Amino acid sequence: QKEVEQDPGPLSVPEGAIVSLNCTYSNSAFQYFMWYRQYSRKGPELLMYTYSSGNKEDGRFTAQVDKSSKYISLFIRDSQPSDSATYLCAMLRIQGAQKLVFGQGTRLTINP
Amino acid sequence: DAGVIQSPRHEVTEMGQEVTLRCKPISGHDYLFWYRQTMMRGLELLIYFNNNVPIDDSGMPEDRFSAKMPNASFSTLKIQPSEPRDSAVYFCASSRAGRTGSNNEQFFGPGTRLTVL
Repeated sequence: QKEVEQDPGPLSVPEGAIVSLNCTYSNSAFQYFMWYRQYSRKGPELLMYTYSSGNKEDGRFTAQVDKSSKYISLFIRDSQPSDSATYLCAMLRIQGAQKLVFGQGTRLTINP
Repeated sequence: DAGVIQSPRHEVTEMGQEVTLRCKPISGHDYLFWYRQTMMRGLELLIYFNNNVPIDDSGMPEDRFSAKMPNASFSTLKIQPSEPRDSAVYFCASSRAGRTGSNNEQFFGPGTRLTVL
């Protein structure tokens, strides 16, 4: 079993829809949770960052962490065609190796 | 800041040939990471360095892969001999030291798209 599971999609929604992207994980040592966005033929870029549990909001984006369920989510409100990309969740342990564990990535398309 | 620089951007080679990928991290970053990305396996960490020292190479697939970081501004990933199954996009990323706040952010280069025929 992978440490981090993410549905690869693809996911296609109309412009203006609310998008929900999710990851589950198995290692309770993860304390830092991130969402990276990767446009086609580009490297991933950090989109959102959360420490431990709770919500974090940045404009149209909201990241949620539920450590009791080992489940994290990224919500995109009022989705735009420019949000079309692959979204990867990533996690980091509080101690030990400084290495991120990535999900498979979900390919998202917002249709005008 | 120019960001992480990788070269070449594209590489097409024949099976059995040696391939060398290059990376220049962001100045001042203490960590350097090499990743491989494929449709089937997603983004996989191959190896990472801290202050030019390899810390974890458990993701290196086999002895055909090797990585070096002779100084703080340069790293190479070498595949010798290359095989068709090595075809993938290889990313280099760098980050600052530490574990709090935005120090965890890894900055990725544009990647090298490798095709082994």
